[in-house]
Amino acid sequence: DGGITQSPKYLFRKEGQNVTLSCEQNLNHDAMYWYRQDPGQGLRLIYYSQIVNDFQKGDIAEGYSVSREKKESFPLTVTSAQKNPTAFYLCASSPGSVIGNTIYFGEGSWLTVV
Amino acid sequence: DQQVKQNSPSLSVQEGRISILNCDYTNSMFDYFLWYKKYPAEGPTFLISISSIKDKNEDGRFTVFLNKSAKHLSLHIVPSQPGDSAVYFCAASALRNTGTASKLTFGTGTRLQVTL
Repeated sequence: DGGITQSPKYLFRKEGQNVTLSCEQNLNHDAMYWYRQDPGQGLRLIYYSQIVNDFQKGDIAEGYSVSREKKESFPLTVTSAQKNPTAFYLCASSPGSVIGNTIYFGEGSWLTVV
Repeated sequence: DQQVKQNSPSLSVQEGRISILNCDYTNSMFDYFLWYKKYPAEGPTFLISISSIKDKNEDGRFTVFLNKSAKHLSLHIVPSQPGDSAVYFCAASALRNTGTASKLTFGTGTRLQVTL
């Protein structure tokens, strides 16, 4: 079955630690995204990548970093510089620049700072 | 600055009746709109979309209406079913600017509860 796989589902981080959230897709999609969801805030775009080896900052990129070395993979690192990292993180992908396409989401990862 | 707004955080509708979820936007560059449904602790799933060249798009029980002059869109679900209970997100994109439907701006969501 094609889809987007995020891991881990739940992650606890100590203050000052960096953590990396994994996102893998086997949909052969060119574009991949990371969103963050906080209560009452909807989904906010952290980073996105429209092609391998290229990525762009979204609306709330501070304290995060990404890489796109392979088409299938778009890991997100939450660094110690992120002041309020506790949130639900969603990875997504889309086919690319075809009008009418949509974004498909993974199941999400819960990150809690302890 | 919230460019996509869903002013009703929650809505309760009886089974079989119509559910109407509303969404307003402020960015006149938005020309492509989508609705997503989300269950707790899961990723959103795509429901229906509409381009700004249309004012209505229908898919089964789901219809999206777009009023460009009012910068308003709505999702109608008829008839509503208990399985429709979820959070619904409106999203918008500026296709003309980016050439893709990729960079979506989401609203804050409306929680729909369909009661028996």
